[in-house]
Formats: sequence, structure tokens, C-alpha cells
Amino acid sequence: DVKVTQSSRYLVKRTGEKVFLECVQDMDHENMFWYRQDPGLGLRLIYFSYDVKMKEKGDIPEGYSVSREKKERFSLILESASTNQTSMYLCASTERRLWGQGSDTQYFGPGTRLTVL
Amino acid sequence: QQPVQSPQAVILREGEDAVINCSSSKALYSVHWYRQKHGEAPVFLMILLKGGEQKGHEKISASFNEKKQQSSLYLTASQLSYSGTYFCGTVKTSGTYKYIFGTGTRLKVLA
Repeated sequence: DVKVTQSSRYLVKRTGEKVFLECVQDMDHENMFWYRQDPGLGLRLIYFSYDVKMKEKGDIPEGYSVSREKKERFSLILESASTNQTSMYLCASTERRLWGQGSDTQYFGPGTRLTVL
Repeated sequence: QQPVQSPQAVILREGEDAVINCSSSKALYSVHWYRQKHGEAPVFLMILLKGGEQKGHEKISASFNEKKQQSSLYLTASQLSYSGTYFCGTVKTSGTYKYIFGTGTRLKVLA
């Protein structure tokens, strides 16, 4: 079974702090994604990565950055946390190669509920 | 463009049926359905790729219309375990590869 793990289930931070959210997948997937989930808005893509050191902005990248130094690990960074970044953060991965075959099925981690005070 | 789901929320009694719709103004490359139970990660249910396709089994099935602009998820004789939020998702094929989810439908099944 594909396993996607996230470093924390719950996190409480203060405004202005730098926050790191870590995600690791164990199935050698090409693509990894960071979403935030808010009531009434569904899942919104923050950033994704289709290869090591490669990243693309999603729909709501402002206030976030990412890092992918190894294929299995994708980190989301909040440079200076703000209260409007209080949310559930979900990491996901898919097998699909950019120009070729594979599956688009998203495998999700358990999520990190971040509260910024 | 984000697919639109309807209804936003539904409450059922055990044994009742439900239909959740996912619509787009443009043809979708594919439709994926996911269910997320409270406090858990979304879990993949099924994928539809072709216009006119129907998939699933007796209890949970889905269809994709011929124009590939609407998909429906059918929950038959619902059980308590069906409670959760259901999402449709699709792959954006213009520009950079990207995944887009629908707005979500909260479903609660009561005993």
C-alpha cells in the first residue's frame, strides 16, 4: 500500500513564526502536492512538484514556499505564519509521469491541522 | 476552473439513496471520486475516463455523461459508514499538469 505520512497531526504556532510541514511518501511517486482544506472551499492547491528540485505554483501560493530535495520528501514552508493560514494542510502524491503513463490517483497523508495564534 | 458539486450537504437515514453531482463548464479529462471521513485523509473511490462511462458496484457507483461535463456519484441503501465529505477531482490538461478538486459534499447518514 502507498503510504504518505505527515510530520504532525496538530500544530499550534504564533503569528510571525516560520513553520515547516513535512511530507514523505514511500512509493517512489513522481508528483507531490500540498493542499489546504477550508470549510466551503474544498481542497485548494498551494504548490506541487513533479521532480526533485522542481516546483510549480498552485492556485494559492502566496505566503508559502516549498522544498523538494529528495524524491520522497516534500516540505511546505510558511515563512511568516499569519492567522489566515490557520487550516488543514494535506499532502498528496501521484505516480503519473509528466508526459507518459502512470496513475493520477491521489494518495493523501492524514493531514496537519495548523492553528496560528 | 474548479468543478462545482451539488448538493453542498445532505442528511440521510440509513437505507436511503443519495446522488452527488460534479459539474464543469468545460469537458473534463477524467473524474475521480474521493471520500473523506471526519479527521481522516481523503480516500480514492473510483475514476471515470470516458464519456458515457458507468462504474462501481451495487452500493456505490458513478457515471460520466457523454460530453464529459458532469459526473454523478450514486450511494444506494446508505450505511452509517458512508458519512463523510465526498470530492470529485480532475486533471487539468492545459498548461502545467495540475489536479483540481470540486467544492465537496458533506453527507451524514443517521441511524
